[in-house]
Amino acid sequence: KAGVTQTPRYLIKTRGQQVTLSCSPISGHRSVSWYQQTPGQGLQFLFEYFSETQRNKGNFPGRFSGRQFSNSRSEMNVSTLELGDSALYLCASSLVSISGLNTGELFFGEGSRLTVL
Amino acid sequence: KQEVTQIPAALSVPEGENLVLNCSFTDSAIYNLQWFRQDPGKGLTSLLLIQSSQREQTSGRLNASLDKSSGRSTLYIAASQPGDSATYLCAVKAGTALIFGKGTTLSVSS
Repeated sequence: KAGVTQTPRYLIKTRGQQVTLSCSPISGHRSVSWYQQTPGQGLQFLFEYFSETQRNKGNFPGRFSGRQFSNSRSEMNVSTLELGDSALYLCASSLVSISGLNTGELFFGEGSRLTVL
Repeated sequence: KQEVTQIPAALSVPEGENLVLNCSFTDSAIYNLQWFRQDPGKGLTSLLLIQSSQREQTSGRLNASLDKSSGRSTLYIAASQPGDSATYLCAVKAGTALIFGKGTTLSVSS
C-alpha cells in the first residue's frame, strides 16, 4: 500500500513568488492535513480537509490556502512568498469514521522543503 | 490553549541502554496521543497511537503510556540501538489538529 506522496520534494523560490505543493493521501484516506515545520517554531498546523471541505485552519495568514479534490488529493498554495516561509511542509492523511470524527492515526509524507531567497 | 512539552530536548546514551522519553500536555481533553520518529530531513514515521481511553500501547521494543489526568505520556525504548538515533515527537489530538512538542533528539552510540 503506497504511503502519503508529496511533490515536489525540494524547491527554491524568490520573495514575492507563489508556490503550489501537492499531496496524495493513502488510498482510502479522506482526511488530509498540512503542517509547517521550522527550526524555531517546530511543527505547526496549517489546515485540514475532509470531503473537499476545509474543516479547520491554523493561525496562519491568508497567503496560505489549500484545497482538496474529489479523489482526496490536496494542494496547498502560498502566495507572495516571504523569507520566513522557508520550511518543510508536511502533509498527513488519516481515515475518518462514518460520523466524521477523526480520532485515527495520522500518516505523514516525506515533505516538501521550500527555500525562499 | 493546549501546550505540549518534551523533556529532555536531547539525550545521548550508549547502545543497549533502556531509556524513557517524556511528554506533558496542559489540557487533558484530548482524543489521542501519538508518538512519531523523524530522521534528519525526512518526514514523520508514526510509532504508537494511544486513544484517550487507553493506558498504554506496545510495539516491539517500544512502549508508550498515557496518564490523561496528570497530562503525561512516556515512551519507553528497551535495549536501544544506534538505529534508534532520531528525533522523537509526541503530539496530542484536540479537535482536528495535532499539537506537537518540540521533540527529543536521541543519539545512541555503539
